[in-house]
Amino acid sequence: GEDVEQSLFLSVREGDSSVINCTYTDSSSTYLYWYKQEPGAGLQLLTYIFSNMDMKQDQRLTVLLNKKDKHLSLRIADTQTGDSAIYFCAESNEMNRDDKIIFGKGTRLHILP
Amino acid sequence: EAGVTQFPSHSVIEKGQTVTLRCDPISGHDNLYWYRRVMGKEIKFLLHFVKESKQDESGMPNNRFLAERTGGTYSTLKVQPAELEDSGVYFCASSAGGTYYEQYFGPGTRLTVT
Repeated sequence: GEDVEQSLFLSVREGDSSVINCTYTDSSSTYLYWYKQEPGAGLQLLTYIFSNMDMKQDQRLTVLLNKKDKHLSLRIADTQTGDSAIYFCAESNEMNRDDKIIFGKGTRLHILP
Repeated sequence: EAGVTQFPSHSVIEKGQTVTLRCDPISGHDNLYWYRRVMGKEIKFLLHFVKESKQDESGMPNNRFLAERTGGTYSTLKVQPAELEDSGVYFCASSAGGTYYEQYFGPGTRLTVT
């Protein structure tokens, strides 16, 4: 079945850029997502990108999509302590899987002082 | 505008007991989803309501799980009888009609079965 893979941990120094990577298997994915989960909180939809786009930028966040390689990345510029969270990569396939979102296991971002 | 709310935030029950989880979606959202994250695993889709109708329940693990959304507002997810492997965090999400790609999640209910 469809799968989303991402590394489990990432440590970054405060002020540096964080890059979280993700790969997925469904070549017909419609939307790709990044969700953020802070400690003790629910999932926050951080950003999403339509599959016909290569890049989306929103303030400190940049999403890059390489559809050929089925690779998605999230870059957080000027990483702050408040960015410490688990980041979930996810995808959906409107044609084949209706509204169902497939998630990766999440990448825990740790900020070093 | 209030977000998706879930109750309780945490439930601890013994194997064989029954538990009912509740989700209140964002007001006006026709779509309501249930997901589950078992420890160390991915967040997995359970089912999807459109108003009061079940659109897709392909992710429901077995017939011990029963979801309802009477009146098309809040939803309940009942586990009866609970087993140890049911432990995890149950998330509810909602989206407006036609914008399934903007699913807003609740804080989750952590279920522990002992």
